[in-house]
Amino acid sequence: ETGVTQTPRHLVMGMTNKKSLKCEQHLGHNAMYWYKQSAKKPLELMFVYNFKEQTENNSVPSRFSPECPNSSHLFLHLHTLQPEDSALYLCASSQVTGLAGSSTDTQYFGPGTRLTVL
Amino acid sequence: AQKITQTQPGMFVQEKEAVTLDCTYDTSDQSYGLFWYKQPSSGEMIFLIYQGSYDEQNATEGRYSLNFQKARKSANLVISASQLGDSAMYFCAGRMDSSYKLIFGSGTRLLVRP
Repeated sequence: ETGVTQTPRHLVMGMTNKKSLKCEQHLGHNAMYWYKQSAKKPLELMFVYNFKEQTENNSVPSRFSPECPNSSHLFLHLHTLQPEDSALYLCASSQVTGLAGSSTDTQYFGPGTRLTVL
Repeated sequence: AQKITQTQPGMFVQEKEAVTLDCTYDTSDQSYGLFWYKQPSSGEMIFLIYQGSYDEQNATEGRYSLNFQKARKSANLVISASQLGDSAMYFCAGRMDSSYKLIFGSGTRLLVRP
């Protein structure tokens, strides 16, 4: 496997279910991200992990719970979601240098998980 | 506040012609990076091209080039010799401070006509 992979690619869940999204990066990067893309809305950053430490939480509801066990894996645990949480969830990784404007900061994305909450 | 603006919700281009997708940004930072991504209907966000604020030359990657005008705060994407496979959403994005946040524009949907 190369690049950034995400599983599952599609997920349908009820509001009372608990599920997890998985992301794995094979690029040797030190930072990983979760984004949400709803219909007709710009991408929204949800969480950032740098060296396994969460460095950013963009006011995301607690029904979304991220986990980063190591710098290659990132999970998003879902519980008691709402229908408005239906969206494309994208994972990305990058090599962060701390300097804004560095080309190594390019974020590479996975194929996404299309989530439908019934 | 940092912001990325794409004013063209949709664009058409004839196959084999060139097309320019507009992007303007707003920042007071001196050091920043600008990125363009392509998102086909499958959903994956594909990195196309990068421009750093200190780069004096416009970035080029194959058929993609970036028309970077720093004084006007614009970073337009030029696609030459359009192909049918270029039909997709295109997003301009910027990293404009010491945070890890990538700010995205609202996107432009490009349709290449045969």
